[in-house]
Amino acid sequence: NAGVTQTPKFRVLKTGQSMTLLCAQDMNHEYMYWYRQDPGMGLRLIHYSVGEGTTAKGEVPDGYNVSRLKKQNFLLGLESAAPSQTSVYFCASSYSIFGGGNYEQYFGPGTRLTVT
Amino acid sequence: GEDVEQSLFLSVREGDSSVINCTYTDSSSTYLYWYKQEPGAGLQLLTYIFSNMDMKQDQRLTVLLNKKDKHLSLRIADTQTGDSAIYFCAERFTGGGNKLTFGTGTQLKVEL
Repeated sequence: NAGVTQTPKFRVLKTGQSMTLLCAQDMNHEYMYWYRQDPGMGLRLIHYSVGEGTTAKGEVPDGYNVSRLKKQNFLLGLESAAPSQTSVYFCASSYSIFGGGNYEQYFGPGTRLTVT
Repeated sequence: GEDVEQSLFLSVREGDSSVINCTYTDSSSTYLYWYKQEPGAGLQLLTYIFSNMDMKQDQRLTVLLNKKDKHLSLRIADTQTGDSAIYFCAERFTGGGNKLTFGTGTQLKVEL
């Protein structure tokens, strides 16, 4: 199993450009998440999804949109990139609250985005 | 969201014990986690503790939970250079979505 994969690994954008980050998981997880990581601030939740076709806002959703058209994929879009969106973006997935266990979230390797 | 606080840096000598501390604010958290992030990589779960436990030991790792003070700690015995990484504590809320709130992360540096 590949686990959680993210595409691309690196990207540089100019202010105002748009892009989509792709997250894919092969563990048949119901839940998926997008976080951003900034120095000294830990990880902050942008958006999440509890199932195919459903999304919800996290702590810092402004400037981002998401879609979950297929269970295994979760897309994060930036319609008009701003320098404040320079960050490392992580995708994660987990079983649902009915899956039992310790509800561990599994993380992808990250996408480093720079907006100039 | 709730604030989860950690000190930013910790430096120890190889072979010593490391103790990383975390203060959380939501007393209804059911699970508390320690994740490890190596340079240029994603986060990996190190260990976790259920809220009805005070202590959990897993090989070199010991987790202590003080619910009264909302304090969580991770002790790494016999710290090795391979333990150098950023360590995040996280708390899981009882609400929907299995959401986690992460601490700011503690960078552990192990010196020879």
